[in-house]
Amino acid sequence: AQSVSQHNHHVILSEAASLELGCNYSYGGTVNLFWYVQYPGQHLQLLLKYFSGDPLVKGIKGFEAEFIKSKFSFNLRKPSVQWSDTAEYFCAVKGGGNKLTFGTGTQLKVEL
Amino acid sequence: AAGVIQSPRHLIKEKRETATLKCYPIPRHDTVYWYQQGPGQDPQFLISFYEKMQSDKGSIPDRFSAQQFSDYHSELNMSSLELGDSALYFCASSLLVSSYEQYFGPGTRLTVT
Repeated sequence: AQSVSQHNHHVILSEAASLELGCNYSYGGTVNLFWYVQYPGQHLQLLLKYFSGDPLVKGIKGFEAEFIKSKFSFNLRKPSVQWSDTAEYFCAVKGGGNKLTFGTGTQLKVEL
Repeated sequence: AAGVIQSPRHLIKEKRETATLKCYPIPRHDTVYWYQQGPGQDPQFLISFYEKMQSDKGSIPDRFSAQQFSDYHSELNMSSLELGDSALYFCASSLLVSSYEQYFGPGTRLTVT
């Protein structure tokens, strides 16, 4: 069975600070990895995804993530956060089958 | 661009009642997924359908059933509702069962009182 672990449950940053959210997964086979963002009261939106190839993937709104296979990690980064990035961020993995398995989420609050 | 449509957006039911949630996938998408997100929790996969056939099953209670119709829309039927069923129910759709990317709808917030 696949599982996802997100290390930070709550993160508070000031605007312009750099962001890194940790994500580790557990699955023995080939995986597809995703980061989703959920703004308050809204649905899940895809930030970025990794299928294969270049392990450094770039997504929308200046986010990027690096897949490190040896560490089973897929950490999300942004060099300079904005107040509008306040949201909950979910890492997800798709291994066997088609379902997504989500991590517990990281609540990010960006202060002005 | 058209997105996944879910109805109703909000639903309030009493214990032991039934509820039906509807999901209309993005046009041409043939696979539908249902997820349940409890308060402060991550989304949990319930069930998925491809071409009107169940393709995968997760932690869906026996009190729940779902189906996908010929127009690819899907309905999640929930019976004997319990307080613990209060959650946000997301539907997602994708093109082809092997597609890697799922597009999520706005969700139906179900409150059981």
